[in-house]
Amino acid sequence: EAQVTQNPRYLITVTGKKLTVTCSQNMNHEYMSWYRQDPGLGLRQIYYSMNVEVTDKGDVPEGYKVSRKEKRNFPLILESPSPNQTSLYFCASISSSRSQYFGPGTRLLVL
Amino acid sequence: RKEVEQDPGPFNVPEGATVAFNCTYSNSASQSFFWYRQDCRKEPKLLMSVYSSGNEDGRFTAQLNRASQYISLLIRDSKLSDSATYLCVVTPYGGSQGNLIFGKGTKLSVKP
Repeated sequence: EAQVTQNPRYLITVTGKKLTVTCSQNMNHEYMSWYRQDPGLGLRQIYYSMNVEVTDKGDVPEGYKVSRKEKRNFPLILESPSPNQTSLYFCASISSSRSQYFGPGTRLLVL
Repeated sequence: RKEVEQDPGPFNVPEGATVAFNCTYSNSASQSFFWYRQDCRKEPKLLMSVYSSGNEDGRFTAQLNRASQYISLLIRDSKLSDSATYLCVVTPYGGSQGNLIFGKGTKLSVKP
């Protein structure tokens, strides 16, 4: 079954404690992307990746890092989380026709 | 002007009604257009791509008007299960395959 998985699904952490949200896809897509979704602001792109070792900033990259060492994985790293990064995060894998397949989401609360 | 704009709604309609959503985009050279559906607290899912000639999928019809820079989604014979937020998505000019712009969504509530 084609799918995008994210872990963890829910996370409560404290300011400054580094965390990583993993994302994995099994569709062999070259493009992957991270979004955050906040009330009233919709989905905003954080980073995207065109292929292994190729990434680019989206609209709101500050405070985030990504890596793409393998085609199937695209982790999102928060080196020093802050409360304004409390949000719902979605990873997406993008087909050649630009259809996006989203993971189930990660709810992050930074205290 | 925001890149992709949608009426946030909510649109409250009875079962069986026909409802239409519009979405406007600012970049006239935008390349690809989609409608996504998002249920509360769930991930967005692709509903349909939007083609220049318009396209239909069952009760859903999507139209693109490049001259006026808007896309539309028509839902006929609304079902309770159609209640969701509908997101308009545009690929900006010069954007890579991974660079898509989402509207904030239009909320639809179908009542019995």
